[in-house]
Amino acid sequence: NAGVTQTPKFQVLKTGQSMTLQCAQDMNHNSMYWYRQDPGMGLRLIYYSASEGTTDKGEVPNGYNVSRLNKREFSLRLESAAPSQTSVYFCASRKSDLFKSYGYTFGSGTRLTVV
Amino acid sequence: AQTVTQSQPEMSVQEAETVTLSCTYDTSENNYYLFWYKQPPSRQMILVIRQEAYKQQNATENRFSVNFQKAAKSFSLKISDSQLGDTAMYFCAGYSTLTFGKGTMLLVSP
Repeated sequence: NAGVTQTPKFQVLKTGQSMTLQCAQDMNHNSMYWYRQDPGMGLRLIYYSASEGTTDKGEVPNGYNVSRLNKREFSLRLESAAPSQTSVYFCASRKSDLFKSYGYTFGSGTRLTVV
Repeated sequence: AQTVTQSQPEMSVQEAETVTLSCTYDTSENNYYLFWYKQPPSRQMILVIRQEAYKQQNATENRFSVNFQKAAKSFSLKISDSQLGDTAMYFCAGYSTLTFGKGTMLLVSP
């Protein structure tokens, strides 16, 4: 099925470990996003990529890095995981068009626990 | 800064009734878009309805409709004929880079 694929779905890390969350979309979307969801906080934007080759910080970028590998893939890296990064992470993509807004398509999320 | 505010953390409704979820926002952008997303227990984010700010007509999708009041910066979601499957967290969101409210948990009971 077409859509946004995130891997892994679940992960447990020890404090200080590193890992990369993978995201790929097959809808030929230009823009891709990483969000984190915490209880009572809604979804907060970590980083986004408006087009291939560009990345920008969102509301909560500290402790994260991203790579827009190509048009399909947008990865999120935690270099040194901290318990405060325990969260559910969502990748999303959107078709960009000057004349029309399209909804965002979300992946199924990654539940990350840092102990 | 852009903000989206949902003032109702939880709401309950009985099956077949109508419920309205509130959302207010603030932005300096002139052309923007507003969305309602549904997140059931499966965790998947599902687009319910969207509204383009330059359009005066309120968006409608089957049982879901919005009341968009641009001057008041209000964007409420009305769910008619509520069904058990509507039980979920609902998020209001908007702007060019999607900013979310904190969500309203809707419980539909028999």
